[in-house]
Amino acid sequence: DTAVSQTPKYLVTQMGNDKSIKCEQNLGHDTMYWYKQDSKKFLKIMFSYNNKELIINETVPNRFSPKSPDKAHLNLHINSLELGDSAVYFCASSPLGGGYGYTFGSGTRLTVV
Amino acid sequence: AQSVTQLDSHVSVSEGTPVLLRCNYSSSYSPSLFWYVQHPNKGLQLLLKYTSAATLVKGINGFEAEFKKSETSFHLTKPSAHMSDAAEYFCVVSGGGYQKVTFGTGTKLQVIP
Repeated sequence: DTAVSQTPKYLVTQMGNDKSIKCEQNLGHDTMYWYKQDSKKFLKIMFSYNNKELIINETVPNRFSPKSPDKAHLNLHINSLELGDSAVYFCASSPLGGGYGYTFGSGTRLTVV
Repeated sequence: AQSVTQLDSHVSVSEGTPVLLRCNYSSSYSPSLFWYVQHPNKGLQLLLKYTSAATLVKGINGFEAEFKKSETSFHLTKPSAHMSDAAEYFCVVSGGGYQKVTFGTGTKLQVIP
């Protein structure tokens, strides 16, 4: 049983397209996150939801829109994809907040061509 | 405010020799500290965490880290490197609760046979 699962694992798409990445966790955690990892392995938080409520919204272009239909799911929709959006996107969850340690998904490698 | 500095971007060791990955932090709170490991093309896995209990923390795969408040350090060690330890390692600091976590820039560990 995968604790935090993301789909798809790989995504190749053209500039200007709209795409979604889905994340689900079966750990019963209250908090979920989206992180972006660039080509230099630097990790940057994008969004955090606690029990379906947005609690962290970093400076991210508004082309990125998270949605959490319930506390076990956090999806990321990206409009008008740009070359600079190419990265690995990680979903993570934690019991109450970042101070308790994360469980990460295996990542979605997005390539915009 | 908080920050974390991983002092080495690359560390190379021979198989069977000790591993030392260095991490310094700063935090306005009593911090929680973590080490994560990321193997190639994989998600991040929690190695160990410090949350104000014992200052010497034991993790998975023979790794341990010591919290030294006076030196604001949380270095990761392992007595004997194995080839499977080759990966990227991230030191992370958190103010606890819903506080945003801060990731270090990563240390790539190379293990030479």
